[in-house]
Amino acid sequence: QKEVEQDPGPLSVPEGAIVSLNCTYSNSAFQYFMWYRQYSRKGPELLMYTYSSGNKEDGRFTAQVDKSSKYISLFIRDSQPSDSATYLCAMRKGQAGTALIFGKGTTLSVSS
Amino acid sequence: EAGVAQSPRYKIIEKRQSVAFWCNPISGHATLYWYQQILGQGPKLLIQFQNNGVVDDSQLPKDRFSAERLKGVDSTLKIQPAKLEDSAVYLCASSAVGSSGIRPYEQYFGPGTRLTVT
Repeated sequence: QKEVEQDPGPLSVPEGAIVSLNCTYSNSAFQYFMWYRQYSRKGPELLMYTYSSGNKEDGRFTAQVDKSSKYISLFIRDSQPSDSATYLCAMRKGQAGTALIFGKGTTLSVSS
Repeated sequence: EAGVAQSPRYKIIEKRQSVAFWCNPISGHATLYWYQQILGQGPKLLIQFQNNGVVDDSQLPKDRFSAERLKGVDSTLKIQPAKLEDSAVYLCASSAVGSSGIRPYEQYFGPGTRLTVT
């Protein structure tokens, strides 16, 4: 079993839709959870960062972490064509200098 | 603030040849990471440096891959000899030591080097 599982999609939605992206993980030692966005032929960029369980909201983006279920989600409201990208979940055990473990990434396409 | 720089952006080589990639991290960032991203996969850490010391190289195939960060600034990753399965994007990332702002230890990624081994 991989440490982090993520459905690669692809996921296609119309502009304005609410998008839900998810990852599951197996290692209960993970404490820091991140979502990265990666545009084609670019490096990943950090989108959302959450420590432990709970929700975090930033504009149209909401990240949720449920450590009891080992499940994290990213919601995108009012999706835009510019949101078309690959979304990677990532997590790590410690804070300082520990390796990020990434999911495979979900490819999202938002059509206008 | 300038981002993480990588070169070359693209490289095509034949199997059994050697290749080197270069990375210049964000100024002042003590921690530097090399990741391998195979098509359709998430990035996988190959090696992590703190200043010029290796913190984690547990997933680096040491029989063919090597990396150095001699002066604690820029870094090179080398593959010798290359295999077909080394075709991937090689990403370099850097982060500051210590928490800062609302995103402590954020890793900033460069654009990557796309390697094709034929």
